[in-house]
Amino acid sequence: AQSVAQPEDQVNVAEGNPLTVKCTYSVSGNPYLFWYVQYPNRGLQFLLKYITGDNLVKGSYGFEAEFNKSQTSFHLKKPSALVSDSALYFCAVRAFYSSASKIIFGSGTRLSIRP
Amino acid sequence: DTEVTQTPKHLVMGMTNKKSLKCEQHMGHRAMYWYKQKAKKPPELMFVYSYEKLSINESVPSRFSPECPNSSLLNLHLHALQPEDSALYLCASSQGGGARQPQHFGDGTRLSIL
Repeated sequence: AQSVAQPEDQVNVAEGNPLTVKCTYSVSGNPYLFWYVQYPNRGLQFLLKYITGDNLVKGSYGFEAEFNKSQTSFHLKKPSALVSDSALYFCAVRAFYSSASKIIFGSGTRLSIRP
Repeated sequence: DTEVTQTPKHLVMGMTNKKSLKCEQHMGHRAMYWYKQKAKKPPELMFVYSYEKLSINESVPSRFSPECPNSSLLNLHLHALQPEDSALYLCASSQGGGARQPQHFGDGTRLSIL
């Protein structure tokens, strides 16, 4: 069965410091991995994805993620956090079901950036 | 601004009412999705339409009835809902139903059942 785990409910970082939001996955076959962000009273916004190729994937708003096959991880990173990065972050994996596929989301990590 | 538009933004209804949620996208996407999201939880998939045909139904109660009139529109018809159905309902679309394409989400309809 496909699954995604986000081990931290909350991550607190000072503005200007690097941030990491952790994600591990379990899939059969090649993983298609995604990160989404959700601001209050908004829908989810796509940040970045890993399909194949380079293990370091760059996305929106200065975020990047590192795919590590041996550790089955896909951690989200940013070199210098902004207060405006405070939001709820979801890691996700796509799973195949016959003619369609669906996303399986992790439980979410609340990122809080203090000024 | 999101490219997936959902109306209404807020809806309050009694348990005997009938209402509909609407979703529209003009990105030419051929897969559309309904999700239910409770506070501080991940979205839960309800339905997937692929090329205007229902391809996934996640055992959703029959009081929720989806409809895809054309490739740009997705409706969710509601009838005889329960208080536990109060949640944020999100619509999403993607380019085809394949696994490589990210989903684009609307800002949702916040539904309250009295």
